[in-house]
Amino acid sequence: SQKIEQNSEALNIQEGKTATLTCNYTNYSPAYLQWYRQDPGRGPVFLLLIRENEKEKRKERLKVTFDTTLKQSLFHITASQPADSATYLCALTKVDSSYKLIFGSGTRLLVRP
Amino acid sequence: EPEVTQTPSHQVTQMGQEVILRCVPISNHLYFYWYRQILGQKVEFLVSFYNNEISEKSEIFDDQFSVERPDGSNFTLKIRSTKLEDSAMYFCASSGLDRDSNEQFFGPGTRLTVL
Repeated sequence: SQKIEQNSEALNIQEGKTATLTCNYTNYSPAYLQWYRQDPGRGPVFLLLIRENEKEKRKERLKVTFDTTLKQSLFHITASQPADSATYLCALTKVDSSYKLIFGSGTRLLVRP
Repeated sequence: EPEVTQTPSHQVTQMGQEVILRCVPISNHLYFYWYRQILGQKVEFLVSFYNNEISEKSEIFDDQFSVERPDGSNFTLKIRSTKLEDSAMYFCASSGLDRDSNEQFFGPGTRLTVL
């Protein structure tokens, strides 16, 4: 069955450092991989999308890589700030009738001042 | 900035009762979704809706669930006879014309508590 794995342990880093979150998947061939941010009690907020034929995508302090051979995506936040503290969700999509998102369980990031 | 809205923010109901969760997607979006998140668990897909019909539904979306877009702005999720295990956050999402981007915009959610 399809499986999307994100590190279930919280990532605790010092302000200013780079946070790196991992998303691994099996038994799936996504067309897109997306990263969302979720704050407690709130809906997911879209951050970045990377396509299967792309290796890397950047947006301001965010960078995503996508390795379809390893079936892995890395999500980096450079110069992290306490305001970056949240849960980060990886989501996969296929090109089909619905384009539904299949989410991982998320990794909680805590940035200490 | 346009946003997806959902009402109510919190719904408490008795087991066996019907509930209707309401969503107003971003206007000019064409693709609509319901997801749910049980406390402490991952966000799960329930159903997708396009061109006034369901395009895909998950195993969770059984005969007790239905969706409607009655008036071109609202998008509703109905649970006919709620069960304890239906307690969760329910998120509505919409996405626009550009299928190539597939960015989905989520609402703030409705917390459903079934007693």
